[in-house]
Amino acid sequence: AQSVSQHNHHVILSEAASLELGCNYSYGGTVNLFWYVQYPGQHLQLLLKYFSGDPLVKGIKGFEAEFIKSKFSFNLRKPSVQWSDTAEYFCAVTNYGGATNKLIFGTGTLLAVQP
Amino acid sequence: DAGVIQSPRHEVTEMGQEVTLRCKPISGHDYLFWYRQTMMRGLELLIYFNNNVPIDDSGMPEDRFSAKMPNASFSTLKIQPSEPRDSAVYFCASTPSGQGPEAFFGQGTRLTVV
Repeated sequence: AQSVSQHNHHVILSEAASLELGCNYSYGGTVNLFWYVQYPGQHLQLLLKYFSGDPLVKGIKGFEAEFIKSKFSFNLRKPSVQWSDTAEYFCAVTNYGGATNKLIFGTGTLLAVQP
Repeated sequence: DAGVIQSPRHEVTEMGQEVTLRCKPISGHDYLFWYRQTMMRGLELLIYFNNNVPIDDSGMPEDRFSAKMPNASFSTLKIQPSEPRDSAVYFCASTPSGQGPEAFFGQGTRLTVV
């Protein structure tokens, strides 16, 4: 069965610090991978996604993620965070080419950026 | 398109009452997902539909929970009877078919059962 693990539940950083949030997935087939962001009081929005090609994916607001197939990982990075990046971040996976398109999320990582 | 629309935004109900949450997906999207978000368990997939047909309801916690999708533009999630532990934010999301589709989420329904 598909599953997604996010090891950092709560991260606190100062502005301009670098960010890396871990994500590991469990699925035997070919996957699509996503990072979503949820700002306080809002719904989830897509940050970036990977489904094929270059394993280094760039998203909005300076975020990027690298798909490492051998490690079943899709870590999110940003070289310099801002106070406005305070939010909850969710990694998600769905199967590629399958009929079910089941979309599973990790438990989320709450990021607090201190000014 | 106005996006995924959920109603109500907030619901406060007494234990034992029936609660119905509603969702209107984006027109043309083939998949509809219901999620429950809590501090303890994060974002849990409850059930999802493809072309109005339930595909996987293994995440539905108990028989008290049921979901329907009578047509392509409407889905309901019902809890009967409700319990305090059902208090959470319930999100609906829809996606088109195809490779790596982005899921579009509604604003969610914050349910409080007292």
